Amino acid sequence: NAGVTQTPKFQVLKTGQSMTLQCAQDMNHNSMYWYRQDPGMGLRLIYYSASEGTTDKGEVPNGYNVSRLNKREFSLRLESAAPSQTSVYFCASSEEWRGPQFFGPGTRLTVL
Amino acid sequence: SQQGEEDPQALSIQEGENATMNCSYKTSINNLQWYRQNSGRGLVHLILIRSNEREKHSGRLRVTLDTSKKSSSLLITASRAADTASYFCATTFTGANSKLTFGKGITLSVRP
Repeated sequence: NAGVTQTPKFQVLKTGQSMTLQCAQDMNHNSMYWYRQDPGMGLRLIYYSASEGTTDKGEVPNGYNVSRLNKREFSLRLESAAPSQTSVYFCASSEEWRGPQFFGPGTRLTVL
Repeated sequence: SQQGEEDPQALSIQEGENATMNCSYKTSINNLQWYRQNSGRGLVHLILIRSNEREKHSGRLRVTLDTSKKSSSLLITASRAADTASYFCATTFTGANSKLTFGKGITLSVRP
């Protein structure tokens, strides 16, 4: 089992460009999450999908959109990247709501 | 903020010593979880303790929960250089829509 996979691992964008971060899990988990991690800020929840077919905003959703494509895949889209979105992005999944979360390796994004 | 707060922010110990890390929170919880993050990697779930539990063990890890003091401790016994990492406390609060909320983390350095 690969667990949670994320692509790409690294990305550099110019301000205003768009991109989609991909996430997939092979554990048949119901819930999936997108976080960003910034120095001194811990992890902050951007969007989550409690179950297939549903998505909801987290703590810092502005500038992002998500798609729960199917039970396995949960993508995060930046429509018009801004320097403030420079961060490390983590996708996670859990079998049950409030249960242990399993994290991907992260995507390191720089917006110039 | 509802997030847990870890203490200390940084801890440096000698290999073989025990490491104790603390987490405090402000409102009633459903469960509390501890995660580890090695440099440049995703988070790894260590232990989940529910609000009606007082202590849990996993190998060299021992977690305690005191709901009257709204605090938890993570003890790593007989530390190894490989335990060098950041450790995060995460909480889910009571309430149907409560999501896992992470603290800012503790940096543990274990000197060989």
